[in-house]
Amino acid sequence: EAGVTQFPSHSVIEKGQTVTLRCDPISGHDNLYWYRRVMGKEIKFLLHFVKESKQDESGMPNNRFLAERTGGTYSTLKVQPAELEDSGVYFCASSQDRSKLFFGSGTQLSVL
Amino acid sequence: AQKVTQAQTEISVVEKEDVTLDCVYETRDTTYYLFWYKQPPSGELVFLIRRNSFDEQNEISGRYSWNFQKSTSSFNFTITASQVVDSAVYFCALSEAQGGNTGKLIFGQGTTLQVKP
Repeated sequence: EAGVTQFPSHSVIEKGQTVTLRCDPISGHDNLYWYRRVMGKEIKFLLHFVKESKQDESGMPNNRFLAERTGGTYSTLKVQPAELEDSGVYFCASSQDRSKLFFGSGTQLSVL
Repeated sequence: AQKVTQAQTEISVVEKEDVTLDCVYETRDTTYYLFWYKQPPSGELVFLIRRNSFDEQNEISGRYSWNFQKSTSSFNFTITASQVVDSAVYFCALSEAQGGNTGKLIFGQGTTLQVKP
């Protein structure tokens, strides 16, 4: 069974540009989460989807971040326009029953 | 407020040594879950264990063992006879369950474990 897949694995962009990260959860998992780790800090929750609905987006830092999950399958996280402080590793996780989260390998985002 | 503290930033041991990774948590809830995840060089976070707040029994899985003590709000992780493949970043995490388990995790800062041959 395929795990959680994230694309791209690395992205280097300039300040002010737009970047879109993609996450493909494990098939059948209704719950999808985005987390991120900025340099030297803890991994922090961004938001939680149940199917295509946003269950909790309390961790989204500001309105430059937009997450979608059309059709309840894969999800995208767009940052527009990117700022230097957005650099970090963005993790996606999925879960069937919320008791155990399966994480992807993350997308390393560098904003220059 | 909920918080997880992993005071050890980096630990280096020689293969076959035992090593304990510390985790201290803060929460006002009486129902919660504690987790450990491993992040090998490949980058993904690998689930190791989940414990609920009502189960204080220690757990052993092969060379891994976990010591949960509510009295000290700690959930420590011990690797016995460490191996080079254990080299990774280890994260402790907390999830509140009151009102339903959301899967929203609060992570510690992580402990980088290096096991030298």
